[in-house]
Amino acid sequence: NAGVTQTPKFQVLKTGQSMTLQCAQDMNHEYMSWYRQDPGMGLRLIHYSVGAGITDQGEVPNGYNVSRSTTEDFPLRLLSAAPSQTSVYFCASSFGGGNTIYFGEGSWLTVV
Amino acid sequence: AQSVTQPDIHITVSEGASLELRCNYSYGATPYLFWYVQSPGQGLQLLLKYFSGDTLVQGIKGFEAEFKRSQSSFNLRKPSVHWSDAAEYFCAVGVQGAQKLVFGQGTRLTINP
Repeated sequence: NAGVTQTPKFQVLKTGQSMTLQCAQDMNHEYMSWYRQDPGMGLRLIHYSVGAGITDQGEVPNGYNVSRSTTEDFPLRLLSAAPSQTSVYFCASSFGGGNTIYFGEGSWLTVV
Repeated sequence: AQSVTQPDIHITVSEGASLELRCNYSYGATPYLFWYVQSPGQGLQLLLKYFSGDTLVQGIKGFEAEFKRSQSSFNLRKPSVHWSDAAEYFCAVGVQGAQKLVFGQGTRLTINP
């Protein structure tokens, strides 16, 4: 049981490049979400999904795209990377209904 | 709109001393409240959560938290800290059935030997 797995762990991008952060969970969780963590600001919700085929925006969705074609996977796409997207990204999942939310170990992204 | 405030950005305590980390929230309905801990370079680990019932909640690693509705607070406590408790601590309120989390800014805890 791997839990929530994020790849890559570290990435450096040039401004304007695109990339996808991968997130997979093996717990059959319906709910999945992406957060970004910036110094002094805690974690902020980017996008979330309540099941396969259903996604919605969180607090800071601009510049990011998501899709949920399977229960297991919830990739986060950066369409045209900007230095303001330099951050640590966390994927999370849960069964919903107040059950514990599990976080991945994070993906450190630097945009130069 | 919902929000969480952790007034202390950085706290330093001596090993063996007691600890209290403050958390205040703003939320219109009955809150779902969480404390997470993050060690350097790691993900977040759930310490404890409050959904309903007893307002004093016990968690892992000897932590507890008390929900006080009248003060909109959910402070985290530990009677005697260990050097391994040095980390960053986040308070969060859950919305939409506790599936979306709104986090505070975090409190960094340093332990003096």
